[in-house]
Amino acid sequence: DAGVTQSPTHLIKTRGQQVTLRCSPKSGHDTVSWYQQALGQGPQFIFQYYEEEERQRGNFPDRFSGHQFPNYSSELNVNALLLGDSALYLCASKIRKGERGYTFGSGTRLTVV
Amino acid sequence: AQSVTQLGSHVSVSEGALVLLRCNYSSSVPPYLFWYVQYPNQGLQLLLKYTSAATLVKGINGFEAEFKKSETSFHLTKPSAHMSDAAEYFCAVSVGFGNEKLTFGTGTRLTIIP
Repeated sequence: DAGVTQSPTHLIKTRGQQVTLRCSPKSGHDTVSWYQQALGQGPQFIFQYYEEEERQRGNFPDRFSGHQFPNYSSELNVNALLLGDSALYLCASKIRKGERGYTFGSGTRLTVV
Repeated sequence: AQSVTQLGSHVSVSEGALVLLRCNYSSSVPPYLFWYVQYPNQGLQLLLKYTSAATLVKGINGFEAEFKKSETSFHLTKPSAHMSDAAEYFCAVSVGFGNEKLTFGTGTRLTIIP
């Protein structure tokens, strides 16, 4: 049983560009959250999606946006990239009405130069 | 708002010794608490979780944690460290039914000395 799958694993972008990161949740999961983990820090909550809508949002600017598709997969988009956006982006999934505790993917390492 | 404080950004223990990683939380409502482990270049793996049932929670790989409301603590322990336990450990809190946002601590890097 595949867990949470994220693509790509690594990405290098130039400041000012736009990037899209993708996530396929664990089979049977319908809720997806995204986290940003800067080097040496704990993950920071970006937003959560279920039923194809953003349900909660952390303290991130509007440059960060997302989408959830009918098959529960999700995308994270970041516009006008800044050097400070360099981080590991983690996708996590769960069953909305299931037990607490997310399953995390291995992440996408984004480097902005 | 909830928060988590992990005391000690780096902890070193000898192989076979007790592992103790400290976590204190702040929450205005009963919290749900988690410990995650992160190996290099990997995502987070759930070790254990407290969800208001038993205060002593047993997890994977021989780890356990005890919820102490009076001390607002949720420390992670393992009786005997193995080399394979070397990793980054994160404590996290969420509050409220349906509010699944996880707030993480800054992490503790565990080093095992042969």
